[in-house]
Amino acid sequence: GAVVSQHPSWVICKSGTSVKIECRSLDFQATTMFWYRQFPKQSLMLMATSNEGSKATYEQGVEKDKFLINHASLTLSTLTVTSAHPEDSSFYICSASGRRRGANEQFFGPGTRLTVL
Amino acid sequence: QKEVEQNSGPLSVPEGAIASLNCTYSDRGSQSFFWYRQYSGKSPELIMFIYSNGDKEDGRFTAQLNKASQYVSLLIRDSQPSDSATYLCAVNPLSSNTGKLIFGQGTTLQVKP
Repeated sequence: GAVVSQHPSWVICKSGTSVKIECRSLDFQATTMFWYRQFPKQSLMLMATSNEGSKATYEQGVEKDKFLINHASLTLSTLTVTSAHPEDSSFYICSASGRRRGANEQFFGPGTRLTVL
Repeated sequence: QKEVEQNSGPLSVPEGAIASLNCTYSDRGSQSFFWYRQYSGKSPELIMFIYSNGDKEDGRFTAQLNKASQYVSLLIRDSQPSDSATYLCAVNPLSSNTGKLIFGQGTTLQVKP
């Protein structure tokens, strides 16, 4: 499978600060990247879909002004959690998609565990 | 009705047995279907995908798709303790042209030695 990296793998921050998470596809050009959030013992919740060079499409209920997504190139997307609060503590996972073998496979990064104090 | 439904389990099978994981979906026009495995504290990893009716085999894994019944399953033969994880079913709905996936809540599999 393809390789997707995320940085940082974990972060602890104080309430009110902003946190930036990077997602990179290392060995293929991702036409689309996705950002998910996963709370303990729950499934993945899609937050937004981003395409290189265009604005991200946010899922219903996700605040676009709080979760800023920038997709600068076919290999890099960033998620910035602005003015983070304890309820934003979660496991944030990105995935990269590129069509091959007839299906849009998504390859996931290792995730970023955010803890807001 | 949820778009993608899975029994959360846990499903417990003895080592060496066949584990059968099931998933139903509501969007009849869905085109592609994926199975991911997620170990605790880790991100999901792709096991296999299927988009034609019937069976698709890859090693110990077999995915089965029945579009008429809107049902997709994953069989794991010769289950090993290392297969113990949460298995996520994901569907690419007809309405999406971006490769967006809708995930089920996952089924926890426990393989007992």
